[in-house]
Amino acid sequence: GEEVAQTPKHLVRGEGQKAKLYCAPIKGHSYVFWYQQVLKNEFKFLISFQNENVFDETGMPKERFSAKCLPNSPCSLEIQATKLEDSAVYFCASSLGRDSLNQPQHFGDGTRLSIL
Amino acid sequence: AQTVTQSQPEMSVQEAETVTLSCTYDTSESDYYLFWYKQPPSRQMILVIRQEAYKQQNATENRFSVNFQKAAKSFSLKISDSQLGDAAMYFCAYRSGGGSEKLVFGKGTKLTVNP
Repeated sequence: GEEVAQTPKHLVRGEGQKAKLYCAPIKGHSYVFWYQQVLKNEFKFLISFQNENVFDETGMPKERFSAKCLPNSPCSLEIQATKLEDSAVYFCASSLGRDSLNQPQHFGDGTRLSIL
Repeated sequence: AQTVTQSQPEMSVQEAETVTLSCTYDTSESDYYLFWYKQPPSRQMILVIRQEAYKQQNATENRFSVNFQKAAKSFSLKISDSQLGDAAMYFCAYRSGGGSEKLVFGKGTKLTVNP
């Protein structure tokens, strides 16, 4: 598609439950990024993919967070045993690739995750 | 690690006036890219303008322009003829020219446009 599509728009979970977020990148884009924006507006990089391969996972909390980008499926970000501090807006972004100089990242509208 | 600093948590401007938002960054790299993103209350992230570090000429996009000072590691955004629709959070972002493609964001500046 022409836009990065994130679902759901809003997800509510009780503390300790699992949360799964989805992202369909723009068709033809080979890079996918996940960012977490907490209530103070600060963005934190979580993980990136080059096609279905993890490209950079330096921002991922390893214990409870996992992510995948499988062929012919939306990418996903899963949080096990959610905590109150996981409440945030999670943005997915995609870009064409490194061979295209200065290609910007195009962002989805985000998924607001509320942990109660 | 690279850092991006936006020293103005909030700014305000009168409609039709000009406002400048500040951004400084810290890096030891010579090849990188800089971006300004706009986030209105709808929370969409909209790319406003981008600058390649190897270009000396400042980028412009209609009413938006940047003042890129590479030696000073400064990348300010100027909005001319401000409009009510410019009201939003503005984020400055850095991307390395090699290695990770991730964006490193500043904490944002909330811009209010007064009629």
